[in-house]
Amino acid sequence: DGGITQSPKYLFRKEGQNVTLSCEQNLNHDAMYWYRQDPGQGLRLIYYSQIVNDFQKGDIAEGYSVSREKKESFPLTVTSAQKNPTAFYLCASSLGARGETQYFGPGTRLLVL
Amino acid sequence: AQSVTQPDIHITVSEGASLELRCNYSYGATPYLFWYVQSPGQGLQLLLKYFSGDTLVQGIKGFEAEFKRSQSSFNLRKPSVHWSDAAEYFCAVGGDSSYKLIFGSGTRLLVRP
Repeated sequence: DGGITQSPKYLFRKEGQNVTLSCEQNLNHDAMYWYRQDPGQGLRLIYYSQIVNDFQKGDIAEGYSVSREKKESFPLTVTSAQKNPTAFYLCASSLGARGETQYFGPGTRLLVL
Repeated sequence: AQSVTQPDIHITVSEGASLELRCNYSYGATPYLFWYVQSPGQGLQLLLKYFSGDTLVQGIKGFEAEFKRSQSSFNLRKPSVHWSDAAEYFCAVGGDSSYKLIFGSGTRLLVRP
């Protein structure tokens, strides 16, 4: 079955620690996205990538980093510079053209110890 | 400025009753419009989308939405709600000039037995 997988489902971060969230897709999509979701708010774009080895900052990129070394994978690192990392993180992908439908993974909930 | 407004934070309907969720958008170019549904702790599932053509769009699970350009609206409707429809619903807008989707803050639907 084609789809998007995210792991882990839950992740705990200690103060000063970097953590990495995994996102993999087997839809052969060119574009991938990371969103942050906080209670009572819509989704806010962190980073997106239109193609391998290229990515752009979204609206709230500070404290986050990404890489896109393979078409299928778009990991997100939450660095110690992100002072309020507790949120639900959603990965999405699309075929690649502007305005294309985005398909979402099941999400990772990040909690701070 | 580009934005999406979902004026109702919560809506409660009785099972079997009709449903309308409101969505208004502001977008500088021709909009592409989407409705997604999210169950607690899950990712977003696409219900339907409007790119062009017929302004009444049919989606999955018996949902439909109507694009009204003059009112900048894209309201979601269902003639008879089922208990399994209880979830959070997000409206989003994009366009062929951007990879970004702009999301509303969501409407949580509660279904009374």
